[in-house]
Amino acid sequence: DAGVIQSPRHEVTEMGQEVTLRCKPISGHNSLFWYRQTMMRGLELLIYFNNNVPIDDSGMPEDRFSAKMPNASFSTLKIQPSEPRDSAVYFCASSLGGLRTDTQYFGPGTRLTVL
Amino acid sequence: QKEVEQNSGPLSVPEGAIASLNCTYSDRGSQSFFWYRQYSGKSPELIMFIYSNGDKEDGRFTAQLNKASQYVSLLIRDSQPSDSATYLCAASGNTPLVFGKGTRLSVIA
Repeated sequence: DAGVIQSPRHEVTEMGQEVTLRCKPISGHNSLFWYRQTMMRGLELLIYFNNNVPIDDSGMPEDRFSAKMPNASFSTLKIQPSEPRDSAVYFCASSLGGLRTDTQYFGPGTRLTVL
Repeated sequence: QKEVEQNSGPLSVPEGAIASLNCTYSDRGSQSFFWYRQYSGKSPELIMFIYSNGDKEDGRFTAQLNKASQYVSLLIRDSQPSDSATYLCAASGNTPLVFGKGTRLSVIA
C-alpha cells in the first residue's frame, strides 16, 4: 500500500519566491496534518484538516503561510514570499480519524532551503 | 502552553543493554501518549502508544505511563545498533499531538 506521498522531496529557492509543497494522504484517512521540523524547535504542528476542513491553524507562523485541502486526496502548503528562516523539513501526516487515538503516518518530508 | 519535555541526549548505551528514555508533559488533560522513532534524514515512525497507567510491552519495547507524575518512558531491552535513532515522545488529549524535541540514542557495538 502506498504511504503518504509528498512532493517535491527537496526544494531550493531564493528569498521572496513562492513555494508550494504537496501531499497525498493515505487513501481512506480522514485527517491530515502539516508539520515543520527544525533542530531548534523540533517538530511543530502547523495546521490540521479533518474531512478536508481546516480545524486548527494556530500553528501557522504568519500570513505568508497558507494551506488548502481541495479534496480528500490532496493538500498543499504554500509559502509566499519565502524567507531564509522558513528553511526546514516539512512533513505531511495522515490518520484514519480521531485525534486522540489514531496513529499518524508521516510522509518522507520536503527539505526546503531558502537562500 | 502545552509542552512535552525530553532530554536531548545523546544517550549512549552498549549493545545488549537496556536503554531508558524519559518524557514529561505539562497538560494534565493529555490522554494518549506515543513514542516515535526517527532515523537521521527520515520521517518519524510509530513504535508504541499507551493510554492507561502502567506498563505496555511489545517485543523489546516497554512503554510506561504515570499520569499522576505526568511521566512517560520507553524502555528498549537488548539494545541493538539498529536502535540508534532519535526517539520522539508525543501527547494528545482533545487536541492534536504535541511532540517533544526528541532524545538521540546511540547504541555502541
